[in-house]
Parts: sequence; structure tokens; C-alpha cells
Amino acid sequence: NAGVTQTPKFRVLKTGQSMTLLCAQDMNHEYMYWYRQDPGMGLRLIHYSVGEGTTAKGEVPDGYNVSRLKKQNFLLGLESAAPSQTSVYFCASSYNTGSGGYTFGSGTRLTVV
Amino acid sequence: AQKVTQAQTEISVVEKEDVTLDCVYETRDTTYYLFWYKQPPSGELVFLIRRNSFDEQNEISGRYSWNFQKSTSSFNFTITASQVVDSAVYFCALLNSGGYQKVTFGTGTKLQVIP
Repeated sequence: NAGVTQTPKFRVLKTGQSMTLLCAQDMNHEYMYWYRQDPGMGLRLIHYSVGEGTTAKGEVPDGYNVSRLKKQNFLLGLESAAPSQTSVYFCASSYNTGSGGYTFGSGTRLTVV
Repeated sequence: AQKVTQAQTEISVVEKEDVTLDCVYETRDTTYYLFWYKQPPSGELVFLIRRNSFDEQNEISGRYSWNFQKSTSSFNFTITASQVVDSAVYFCALLNSGGYQKVTFGTGTKLQVIP
């Protein structure tokens, strides 16, 4: 009963470095999402996917790219990290956005110095 | 555009007190869903409840209850006889059922229950 697994849990990057955050779900969910959480701003949607091979932009997509090559995986990439991308990143999935709540991963705390 | 407002940034209560967390939403759609999530100090996000716009019946689950009022666009959450384990950040969220299916979150209310 793993649910949604995010790796890594913590990471420190230098400005300009790149990295990929991995999200994996074992619930056969169609929809997957990447959010960032910043103090006082709640959760903001970065990108989302409504199925394998599809991606779409959310509220704050700039500086991020995503891929959904396999249904169970949703990757979030930072090509050139900036201090403004210091945040906690949450991945979530759902079978159908109307049928129930999201299942969230445990989060990735990213610091860009 | 849709919006969720949680005006209470932080609330502190003494254990066993009742506390209500407010949530006001804005949407032009007639069909939508409302959610509450809990984020304890450990950081994970836990789904608590979903309510669709056609169901205004209040719901009670143990010490938790939810009051949905379409007339005031509110979906408030009450914890009865609060406990220290209720200390967390609580997020209210809104989903419109049409095309661009994403959930909009409020900024959260941090609840501290003092023993």
C-alpha cells in the first residue's frame, strides 16, 4: 500500500544546477499533479497530467518541465535551479478529480542556494 | 476564476475547546467539489472530506463536522473537544467539474491545540 512515493525527500542545489523529482503511484490513477507549497501561499499547481503521455501547465509552470512517459510515473524537472524555486514540492494523484480527494506524496523539500 | 479564502491564518485553542475553521470560496460553476485536507507537523497531506455542490447536508465524523452553505459560499470545519493531535495546518480546496480539472487550495489555517 505504497500509494504515492516521491524521491528524493530532501535536496540542496546550487543555483544553475538541474535535477529531476520523481513521483510514482501504484493505484492506477489517471491524473497526476505537481504542487509547490510556500509559506502563506498554500499549494500552487505547477503542472498536471490527465493520462499517460499528456501534460499541461498549471498556475506556476515557469522554470519547470514535466514528463509522463509511464502511467505510474510523473517527473518534475528543474533545468536551471533558482533560489525562488526553494520550496516543498508535493506530488498527488487521483483516479478521477471529481470522484474523491487526491492522494499526496510525502513531499520533497528543495533548497536552492 | 475560482478562489478559496481561509481568513484565519493561525488559531490557538486550549485542549477540549471547540474550534471552527472558516472557508469561503468563489466559483462561477454550478457543479463543483469542496475538500478539506490536514497537514500535521510531519508534513504529509491527509484527505479529510469531499462534498459536491448538490449536497448541502452537513456531515459529522467523530469529533469533526462540516457545515456547507451555498448561500454564503462557505464550507466550515468544526473540531469538537479538540486534542493536541489536531494541531496541524488545515487546507480547504475547491474543484470545478468542467474542463480544466484542477484543485485550488486556500492558504491554510494553522491550528495549535495547547494542552
